[in-house]
Amino acid sequence: SQTIHQWPATLVQPVGSPLSLECTVEGTSNPNLYWYRQAAGRGLQLLFYSVGIGQISSEVPQNLSASRPQDRQFILSSKKLLLSDSGFYLCAWMGRVGQYFGPGTRLTVL
Amino acid sequence: AQKVTQAQTEISVVEKEDVTLDCVYETRDTTYYLFWYKQPPSGELVFLIRRNSFDEQNEISGRYSWNFQKSTSSFNFTITASQVVDSAVYFCALSERLTGANNLFFGTGTRLTVIP
Repeated sequence: SQTIHQWPATLVQPVGSPLSLECTVEGTSNPNLYWYRQAAGRGLQLLFYSVGIGQISSEVPQNLSASRPQDRQFILSSKKLLLSDSGFYLCAWMGRVGQYFGPGTRLTVL
Repeated sequence: AQKVTQAQTEISVVEKEDVTLDCVYETRDTTYYLFWYKQPPSGELVFLIRRNSFDEQNEISGRYSWNFQKSTSSFNFTITASQVVDSAVYFCALSERLTGANNLFFGTGTRLTVIP
């Protein structure tokens, strides 16, 4: 069966520090992968999606970037975090019926 | 443009009551897909259902049922005999394809609280 992992689960970072969040999927090959952000008390905003290795599409211009170095690995990065980057980051993969989400990373920028 | 509206921000019901969560969508495509997800306090989004635009048959799964009406662009979700474990934020979402760049457009969610 397929599973999706995200780490870390929780992260507290100072403003201006770098960021790297990792997402990996097991049990499938060449999945579509997605990064979403959920600000406190709000809905989900699609940040990036990828249909294959090295293929990244950005939905929202910002100081975040994404990379897909391997088929089942999707990384969200930032060189310098802003206060507004705080939120709950969810990775998802496209299964047969719909998108399935990982457990998320809760990021607090202080 | 695609849009999903969940007008109910928060709903509270007493255990065993029935509750309906509303979802209204907008899309120009004739083929599209609608979803409901549950987000419990742990944060992880749990897939509940997908409905294809060309299939208007309503669906029932245990205490959950979904009413899809193309005429009113609505895809409402009803929980029968609610339980405390149903307390969560529920999101309705829309996608216009299932392959390629099949982005999900989410509503802002409805927070359901079931009071024991």
